[in-house]
Amino acid sequence: DTAVSQTPKYLVTQMGNDKSIKCEQNLGHDTMYWYKQDSKKFLKIMFSYNNKELIINETVPNRFSPKSPDKAHLNLHINSLELGDSAVYFCATRETGLTDTQYFGPGTRLTVL
Amino acid sequence: GENVEQHPSTLSVQEGDSAVIKCTYSDSASNYFPWYKQELGKGPQLIIDIRSNVGEKKDQRIAVTLNKTAKHFSLHITETQPEDSAVYFCAASIWNNDMRFGAGTRLTVKP
Repeated sequence: DTAVSQTPKYLVTQMGNDKSIKCEQNLGHDTMYWYKQDSKKFLKIMFSYNNKELIINETVPNRFSPKSPDKAHLNLHINSLELGDSAVYFCATRETGLTDTQYFGPGTRLTVL
Repeated sequence: GENVEQHPSTLSVQEGDSAVIKCTYSDSASNYFPWYKQELGKGPQLIIDIRSNVGEKKDQRIAVTLNKTAKHFSLHITETQPEDSAVYFCAASIWNNDMRFGAGTRLTVKP
């Protein structure tokens, strides 16, 4: 019974395509994040969502757009994929106001050819 | 905003030895400092954390120390085992704000 799950685990696609990565959590947390981890393992926050409101956008290109259909999901849509988008993307969650601890999903490895 | 620096970037130790990873932070308002372990092909997992009102915390073979004056904190792993091999991340945040992560340390424990 995974707390934070992501699909797909691997995604290989061509430059210029549009793709989505899904994230689901069953922890009941109200804040969800997307991180990008590059080849050097550096974790960079991309977005956070709290109660369906975007509260952080760390200068990410507008080709990336998070969408939250409900409190348990935060999906990442990427348009016009570029080679530099190749990375591992992690979803994470936190219970706002209760703890600072973030719980990470297993990651999605995106490869753009 | 907060800036977290982590050293070393790679660390190799013999099984049974101790390992120490150090981080510094820039924002004196930061009050929560977690450490995450990331194994190959997995997401980061919290292993220990400390708040600014505590100077040290231990959990079996791992411990974290915090020096608020110097704005640095460290992870100590004693009696290292091969399964401790992973990438370790430190992070810092202000209560209810989002975290900033260090660049990670790749720890290798040689049997």
